[in-house]
Amino acid sequence: EAQVTQNPRYLITVTGKKLTVTCSQNMNHEYMSWYRQDPGLGLRQIYYSMNVEVTDKGDVPEGYKVSRKEKRNFPLILESPSPNQTSLYFCASSTPGTGFTEAFFGQGTRLTVV
Amino acid sequence: GENVGLHLPTLSVQEGDNSIINCAYSNSASDYFIWYKQESGKGPQFIIDIRSNMDKRQGQRVTVLLNKTVKHLSLQIAATQPGDSAVYFCADDMRFGAGTRLTVKP
Repeated sequence: EAQVTQNPRYLITVTGKKLTVTCSQNMNHEYMSWYRQDPGLGLRQIYYSMNVEVTDKGDVPEGYKVSRKEKRNFPLILESPSPNQTSLYFCASSTPGTGFTEAFFGQGTRLTVV
Repeated sequence: GENVGLHLPTLSVQEGDNSIINCAYSNSASDYFIWYKQESGKGPQFIIDIRSNMDKRQGQRVTVLLNKTVKHLSLQIAATQPGDSAVYFCADDMRFGAGTRLTVKP
């Protein structure tokens, strides 16, 4: 079954404690992306990756890091989380061509930073 | 900045009525648009797409209209059902609008 898997689904952490949210896809997609979703603001892109070892900033990259060492994995790293990073996070994958094909999304990770 | 934006954050319709959700985009070079549906507690899911060389595309109970002159697209849902209640996003090259929450009243 084609899917994007995020872990964990829910996470409560304290300010400053480094955390990683994992994302894995089994569709051999070149493109992967992280979004955060906040009420009234829709899905805002944090970082994206066009392929292995190629990553770029999205609209709201501050406070986040990513890596793309393998095609299937695209972890999101918060080195020093702060309360304003409390949000719902989604990972997505797709295949860019002349235009992006449909994106597949993970189930989301609800992060609370206290 | 935002490439796509939706006109209304919420829309409430009666079951059985038709729903129209609107979206505007700013990039004249955009050539591919997708509508996604996000149900509570889930990630967005693909509904229908349209390329810029088309002005209309139909699926099962859904139609997307594209007006390149005014850079506007819409999603029409026929005979709206309670299961259609969700947040709907338009997307252009993996950039998303703010979403419209559709509520279907029985």
